[in-house]
Amino acid sequence: QVQLVQSGSELKNPGSSVTVSCKASGYTFTRNAINWVRQAPGQGLEWMGWINTNTGNPTYAQGFTGRFVFSLDTSVSTAYLQISSLKAEDTAVYYCARDGSYQVKFNYYYYMDVWGKGTTVTVPS
Amino acid sequence: QSVLTQPPSASGTPGQRVTISCSGSSSNIGNNAVTWYQQFPGTAPKLLIYSNDQRPSGVPDRFSGSKSGTSASLAITGLQSEDEADYHCAAWDDSLSGYVFGTGTRVTVL
Repeated sequence: QVQLVQSGSELKNPGSSVTVSCKASGYTFTRNAINWVRQAPGQGLEWMGWINTNTGNPTYAQGFTGRFVFSLDTSVSTAYLQISSLKAEDTAVYYCARDGSYQVKFNYYYYMDVWGKGTTVTVPS
Repeated sequence: QSVLTQPPSASGTPGQRVTISCSGSSSNIGNNAVTWYQQFPGTAPKLLIYSNDQRPSGVPDRFSGSKSGTSASLAITGLQSEDEADYHCAAWDDSLSGYVFGTGTRVTVL
């Protein structure tokens, strides 16, 4: 079955970096983009951006440029999220989610269909 | 910050019908389909409704979605105790060229 397996929880010092991995299985990795979504403690979901798994081209949402980098290793069907210069406000659960969007004639239908279980990143203040 | 507005909470007794609203604008809900996710505490969101009113296989038919103009709704009919969770709406936003999520609604079964 289709699944996304994420790496384990991380406890990092302020100013350091962290890399979260998201390994896909059960489908052809390069056919669907991978989205990254953040959920801060007690807060809602926030879209960070996505990466085209066919071209490797990343797109970052407002507020997620500069310190955030999306990358791929298609040989192992894995997407990565790297966050540098970590701050206390980066403390959150980070999810990867497969993009299930499709087109019917001239209309696009955007949605994320399969989610990883999330990776908790904790940065003490 | 969330672009789509949802009520923070909703509740009902077992068997009742509960509806959750999701309000947006012409750049998101008004021009794109709405998705709904269900999230239990400490777990990842799960796809519940896509393309406004489509249920993935395995989602009970007591969950239904609809959209009108710049608003959307999720209805749960025949509310069950296992429906107690957070529900998030989402849509593509043409102005932002990205996904936007709702503020989230916690459903409580009384």
